[in-house]
Formats: sequence, C-alpha cells, structure tokens
Amino acid sequence: AQSVTQLDSHVSVSEGTPVLLRCNYSSSYSPSLFWYVQHPNKGLQLLLKYTSAATLVKGINGFEAEFKKSETSFHLTKPSAHMSDAAEYFCVVSEEKAGTALIFGKGTTLSVSS
Amino acid sequence: NAGVTQTPKFQVLKTGQSMTLQCAQDMNHEYMSWYRQDPGMGLRLIHYSVGAGITDQGEVPNGYNVSRSTTEDFPLRLLSAAPSQTSVYFCASKDLAANYEQYFGPGTRLTVT
Repeated sequence: AQSVTQLDSHVSVSEGTPVLLRCNYSSSYSPSLFWYVQHPNKGLQLLLKYTSAATLVKGINGFEAEFKKSETSFHLTKPSAHMSDAAEYFCVVSEEKAGTALIFGKGTTLSVSS
Repeated sequence: NAGVTQTPKFQVLKTGQSMTLQCAQDMNHEYMSWYRQDPGMGLRLIHYSVGAGITDQGEVPNGYNVSRSTTEDFPLRLLSAAPSQTSVYFCASKDLAANYEQYFGPGTRLTVT
C-alpha cells in the first residue's frame, strides 16, 4: 500500500534563507512522486514531478526535489525563500498502475518572515 | 481549454439536504476523481472513475455517490448532508496514457449546518 509522510507540519524560514520540506513515502511499486502547492484560499498547483527519469527534479519558482530510493525520500528544497513562497505544500505519491489515485501527505505549512 | 471546472464555488446546506457538486473537464481525460480537503488531513480520495460508466470508491466514500455518464462530467452527490461533510471539495482529471499529472479544479467550499 502507498503512503506519504510529511515530517513537518509547519516550517518557518526567513526571506533569503534555504527551504527544506521533508517527505518520506512508501510504495509497493515504482512510484511517481509530486509536490503540489496551495496558496491561501486557492486551488492546487503542481510544483514538480518525478516519474522515473532523472532523480533530481527541477520545478517552477526555483524549487527542486531529489528522489532517493534507498531512503524512500523526496524532499523539496529551494536555495532562497521568497515571501511569496508562503503556502501549504503537499507531497503526493502515485503508483505506476493505470487508474491508481494520488495519495496526499497531510501537508506542510511554510511561513516566510522578512 | 477551460481545464477542470467546478460549480458552485460556495454552498451552505442544512443537515439532511441533498445536493450535487458539478465537475467538468474539456481535456478528454479518461480519469476523474473527487477529493475532500480538511485541515491537517491533506486531500483524501472520495470516488474516482477511469472512464464513462466506470466508478470506484476511494478512501472516504460514505455519504457520497457518483456517476460517469460522459467523459466530460463527473458529478458528486451528497444524499443527506451531515456537518461532518463540511469541507473543501476538489475535482481532478488526468490522461491515463500520459504522465500521471492530475489537473485540479478550483474547489467547492461546502458548509453543512
């Protein structure tokens, strides 16, 4: 069975400092992994996805994530936080079987202070 | 393309009332799904469909019905609303032959009093 654990429910950083949002997953098959972002009272936007190509995945707005199979992790990073990065972030897993749904982590709220 | 559209954006129901949340997509995607989002819970799958005439249950299906008579539409029905169904509902679709990315609608915020 698939599952996703986001290790921090809330992360606070200062503007200009690095961001690290941690995600571990469990999957019986080769997983596809995603990070979605949700700004307050908005819908979900895909940041980046891993689908068994390069293990280091670059996304929008300077975010990237590295797939580490040995650690079953898919942490999201950004070198320098911006105020506009304040939002909720979801790590998501999907197995490589047609019709398999997305399994969401519980979310990490990122706060950015000036 | 409009993508995935949902109506209404907001809805208030009384306990016991029924209603249908509408979802439509114009991308000819076979797969459509409904999620609910509650604080601290992430998004949880309610029902999904892999094509017209085919539906299946997700993690939290109780109290909800779905049908898929066309590729474009995937309505979610609340048969007898309960306060526990107060939530934000998201519809999503994807192309089964493509890269597994799901496209989400803007959401419907439902309050049951």
